[in-house]
This record gives sequence, structure tokens and C-alpha cells, in this order.
Amino acid sequence: SSELTQDPAVSVALGQTVRITCQGDSLRSYYASWYQQKPGQAPVLVIYGKNNRPSGIPDRFSGSSSGNTASLTITGAQAEDEADYYCNSRDSSGNPWVFGGGTKLTVL
Amino acid sequence: QVQLVESGGGVVQPGGSLRLSCAASGFTFSSYGMHWVRQAPGKGLEWVAFIRYDGSNKYYADSVKGRFTISRDNSKNTLYLQMNSLRAEDTAVYYCAKVVVAYSSSGEIDYWGQGTLVTVSS
Repeated sequence: SSELTQDPAVSVALGQTVRITCQGDSLRSYYASWYQQKPGQAPVLVIYGKNNRPSGIPDRFSGSSSGNTASLTITGAQAEDEADYYCNSRDSSGNPWVFGGGTKLTVL
Repeated sequence: QVQLVESGGGVVQPGGSLRLSCAASGFTFSSYGMHWVRQAPGKGLEWVAFIRYDGSNKYYADSVKGRFTISRDNSKNTLYLQMNSLRAEDTAVYYCAKVVVAYSSSGEIDYWGQGTLVTVSS
């Protein structure tokens, strides 16, 4: 079982703001990175470090962290943001790194 | 542009072995740590293994420790994953992936290959 916990599914109305969270003890000490994965495709990095976006990632994606929770916020969600989102960070229980279980985002 | 191309996947019987390769191009391969990450059909991502840029340190998930070996040949710009004693639960798409920052041991991955499917079945 994953040491990073994500809600299995989240929905958001088109154009609204949505927050996807990732909880884990290791997040008190390490940043999470966030990945978007669409069906049949490899994951894509959307946020890393404190709040860094790779080139080509829209600025509606942002990251934050508080205590044992990291968050990915999409401000003004678009239809193309519908995807699975995974967090990744250090693991506090033994494995060096771990992914969260993933959150399926539906844009209504 | 950065390219990561995996190969070597296929169907193997339980207890068998397989060697995956990942050919890298478009960046200075010898400067970056590399990961293998897998995804079972219909499931989430699972971190498998990491190797430092110079091959000096390797890390494994508990689920594969003692059965899988990660290695690299910087002269050939190629990453490998030797998989032994394969089990049905190892069935997955295996991705090779590059870390964001050179010379770092980080879980932050900025490029992924398209993956190669490994099926363990009798």
C-alpha cells in the first residue's frame, strides 16, 4: 500500500478551481512532484519542488504544501485537464520514493 | 529533444527472466540519475528502481529487491533493468524516466519513455 494518500476521484466544473491533495508523513520534510497521465499515454510532470512548472505547463497549475499535505491546484480547469494525477515524494517507511495512488479528475 | 525508448518487454513464464533496455538521446545521459517506474494494467504508478548518474548508488522498491537489478552504460547512453524470478504481479508497463536536475538523487522526473509491456503468464 502507498504511503502517500490521494482521493481516488475528484470532479470540477469547467472553468472552476480544483485542489487535488496528497497526504503523507514524508511531506513534512520533502516536496511532492505531480504528474498528469491521460489514457494510453506516459505521465507528464506538471509541478515539482516548492512550486515549479516545467516549460509548456500552463500557469493554471500550481503547487503548495502544508504540514503533511501537498496540494495541486488547477485554477480555471479546462476540458483537457481531465486525467489521472499522481503525487510522488520520498517514502517515510523504507522505500526511497513512492507514488500516491492517483486521483482521477473529471471536468464536468 | 529528449528521447527515451524502452525495449525488451514481452511475455515470460513465472520464474523467468527478462532484460529491459532504455536508449536515451537528446541530453547528457551520464549527468542524470534514472528511474524505472511501472504501471500494472488499470492500476497506478509504482516506483521500481533508481540509479545515480555515475552508477555508484542504486535503490530498489521492496517488491523487487533481490530480483531486479538496475544498471547503466554511459558509453552507450543506455539504461537497463534485469528482471529475474518474475511473478504474475510484475506484469506491467515499465517506463524509464529521467530526473529533472543533473547529478541529483531525486524523485522528480521530467521525461518518461513510452513504456514497454511485460506480461508474466504461463
